Amino acid sequence: DAGITQSPRHKVTETGTPVTLRCHQTENHRYMYWYRQDPGHGLRLIHYSYGVKDTDKGEVSDGYSVSRSKTEDFLLTLESATSSQTSVYFCAISPKGESNSPLHFGNGTRLTVT
Amino acid sequence: TQLLEQSPQFLSIQEGENLTVYCNSSSVFSSLQWYRQEPGEGPVLLVTVVTGGEVKKLKRLTFQFGDARKDSSLHITAAQPGDTGLYLCASRSGAGSYQLTFGKGTKLSVIP
Repeated sequence: DAGITQSPRHKVTETGTPVTLRCHQTENHRYMYWYRQDPGHGLRLIHYSYGVKDTDKGEVSDGYSVSRSKTEDFLLTLESATSSQTSVYFCAISPKGESNSPLHFGNGTRLTVT
Repeated sequence: TQLLEQSPQFLSIQEGENLTVYCNSSSVFSSLQWYRQEPGEGPVLLVTVVTGGEVKKLKRLTFQFGDARKDSSLHITAAQPGDTGLYLCASRSGAGSYQLTFGKGTKLSVIP
């Protein structure tokens, strides 16, 4: 089991409040990803990182920002949460960025925005 | 962004039956990964297929990659309740892309 810890596992917050989700890995992998999973949409990439302080946008990045100041930590911030951001958020890591390099996922954070 | 179409969306079968689920794209895959996700957990990699025409077996699961590398299938023989879960296919968005794009998945229920 890849060493990936997501925190918190569950969170309920109010519309308009800032929220930060944390992904911590102990594998020293270079690549880290944030996905959201919603019924009818599947897993969609929000942001990813290919090294410390190196990040880029994914398919659904609006309303989200990320930071990676250390190899082991990748933070996802919702600056002002909206109800449309209610979702299950997954962090994933990979040692390489090549096409056949697999992702190892955490167990997710269930976020509810009321 | 490469679109991955998975079918069927839902599948409910009796224990012991065989089944096949599909993953298709209008674009050529550089490679394709299959994952299984159980409730409350993240997806877990089952297999990666790279070569057109490739067949890989994982116990009762058989994965095929189409000759033209635009489709893939997962066949389960004698399904068991432990096979229940969401099956996802995934591929990189393009040459040199770090982004892994997922299909919407096939939700399988195996009834004892």
